[in-house]
Amino acid sequence: DVKVTQSSRYLVKRTGEKVFLECVQDMDHENMFWYRQDPGLGLRLIYFSYDVKMKEKGDIPEGYSVSREKKERFSLILESASTNQTSMYLCASSPRQGSIGLGYTFGSGTRLTVV
Amino acid sequence: GENVEQHPSTLSVQEGDSAVIKCTYSDSASNYFPWYKQELGKGPQLIIDIRSNVGEKKDQRIAVTLNKTAKHFSLHITETQPEDSAVYFCAASKSANAGKSTFGDGTTLTVKP
Repeated sequence: DVKVTQSSRYLVKRTGEKVFLECVQDMDHENMFWYRQDPGLGLRLIYFSYDVKMKEKGDIPEGYSVSREKKERFSLILESASTNQTSMYLCASSPRQGSIGLGYTFGSGTRLTVV
Repeated sequence: GENVEQHPSTLSVQEGDSAVIKCTYSDSASNYFPWYKQELGKGPQLIIDIRSNVGEKKDQRIAVTLNKTAKHFSLHITETQPEDSAVYFCAASKSANAGKSTFGDGTTLTVKP
């Protein structure tokens, strides 16, 4: 069963800590995405990547960075965690445009609480 | 950039009734419109999608319609069942820019037995 795996389901971190959220997909997808999900705000795009070592800012990149050293792994980094980054973080992947489709496969999410 | 509006935000129906969720988009270049279902504690799952060269697509009890001129698309669920209760998201994307999707804010569907 193909899937997107996020390393942690629940995470509690302190303000100011550097936080790493890891995402691995086994579908050989080119595109990978990080969204955050907040009540009433839907899914907002933080960063995405269309190839190894390539990254693009999404709609809300401030306070975040990403790393894609291997095709299957896309990491989201909170440089200095703040309480307003408490959220559900969703990783997704999709095949290269023009192939079988542009639909995403999502991970189960990481619920991050910053205290 | 693209803006997607989704209505209603909550929808409650009786088991066996139909449910309709509507979305509008702003970017006429968008050409792919997926729908996702998110159950409690899980990530969203793609349930149906439609491309801009198609007006309607069906898969068993679910269907999606697209009106390119009016820039709106809808999800139709017939003969609803309690297991259809979930949050549903529409999205719009285009072939450029890694096919990144812009999502609606979601509709919480409750099917009462």
